[in-house]
Amino acid sequence: SAVISQKPSRDICQRGTSLTIQCQVDSQVTMMFWYRQQPGQSLTLIATANQGSEATYESGFVIDKFPISRPNLTFSTLTVSNMSPEDSSIYLCGETANTGELFFGEGSRLTVL
Amino acid sequence: AQSVTQPDIHITVSEGASLELRCNYSYGATPYLFWYVQSPGQGLQLLLKYFSGDTLVQGIKGFEAEFKRSQSSFNLRKPSVHWSDAAEYFCAARGGSNYKLTFGKGTLLTVNP
Repeated sequence: SAVISQKPSRDICQRGTSLTIQCQVDSQVTMMFWYRQQPGQSLTLIATANQGSEATYESGFVIDKFPISRPNLTFSTLTVSNMSPEDSSIYLCGETANTGELFFGEGSRLTVL
Repeated sequence: AQSVTQPDIHITVSEGASLELRCNYSYGATPYLFWYVQSPGQGLQLLLKYFSGDTLVQGIKGFEAEFKRSQSSFNLRKPSVHWSDAAEYFCAARGGSNYKLTFGKGTLLTVNP
């Protein structure tokens, strides 16, 4: 599987600010995914990011709140905009290997005060 | 609607004891099935997967899982648990042509010495 690196690994942010999370993959991948894991909860897909096209968002997630970039086949960013304490979560980037598995980065742990 | 159910929120076992974590799925057709482990403060690591063929699949760290179509289940097992296995375990599924993963709510495993 590809090695997936996320930055920052954790951050504490103030209400109303925005934070951009970076996801770097060490090989070219077609599909990248962004998931959210709220405290004590399971993972929920935010959006699918393909290079060269706009991200596809799941129900309940909108581009204005979670803008995503995918400038090339190895990199993506997720921005959490106008944050509130409810946005405190782990945000995970993932990629689908050619064999069909989904692999994840270590996650970015966000606390909003 | 497609869903993955993990009936046990929290399981406690003694070190050296056997382990079985339950997972049931509800999909229109047999999905691809996965088990992931999340250690405290870590991202998700893929333990094993089932796509087709042999219904008993072997994974990393001594884990195995058995797919039972008649019961719509994909239970995870380990014959002898180690203290380092304490973590949260997530079962996940996706359709064959759809890369979106649906996760169960997770089972937290505590290992007593």
